[in-house]
Amino acid sequence: EPEVTQTPSHQVTQMGQEVILRCVPISNHLYFYWYRQILGQKVEFLVSFYNNEISEKSEIFDDQFSVERPDGSNFTLKIRSTKLEDSAMYFCASSGLAGVYNEQFFGPGTRLTVL
Amino acid sequence: SQQGEEDPQALSIQEGENATMNCSYKTSINNLQWYRQNSGRGLVHLILIRSNEREKHSGRLRVTLDTSKKSSSLLITASRAADTASYFCATLLNTDKLIFGTGTRLQVFP
Repeated sequence: EPEVTQTPSHQVTQMGQEVILRCVPISNHLYFYWYRQILGQKVEFLVSFYNNEISEKSEIFDDQFSVERPDGSNFTLKIRSTKLEDSAMYFCASSGLAGVYNEQFFGPGTRLTVL
Repeated sequence: SQQGEEDPQALSIQEGENATMNCSYKTSINNLQWYRQNSGRGLVHLILIRSNEREKHSGRLRVTLDTSKKSSSLLITASRAADTASYFCATLLNTDKLIFGTGTRLQVFP
């Protein structure tokens, strides 16, 4: 069964460093998302991406964050200068359809630890 | 207050019993989805119910949706130890942004 994959599974970085989290969505999907979950808290929406541009972003997704689909398979989240509060589990998701039929499939997550 | 709130926050049952989790939300929705998360792991999509549907089944799962009360329930029948996980509802409004609830931690004892 097709699935969303994410690498790395765990990333440790120093405050102020740049990190790139990578995702390979399900191959025929057109809609891509990043969410995050701070330990013990709810899953929060960060950004949605369709047709090579951001569709929507949350207030968490400030200028330090960017997303890119550099080729036909990868979808990346970059954090330019990490802060301690960026420590969280980051989930990529993809969907083949939008709107009321939008069933989002999540990857296993990347645990980001900022020291 | 939050868009999605589940109750109970935690539920402990014996194998073979049924588990019922409830989700309440505040605004109109396009659909509501239930996800499972094993400790520290990814989110597994369980079931999607559209706003014009009232009930949906998938294996041992039964989901109901009452849009007049802005609530949904997830019933797991004949639970197994492997069902031990956190369960989240997530609502989709008029965009493709999922808004997750606070989750119910289910513990099934063998």
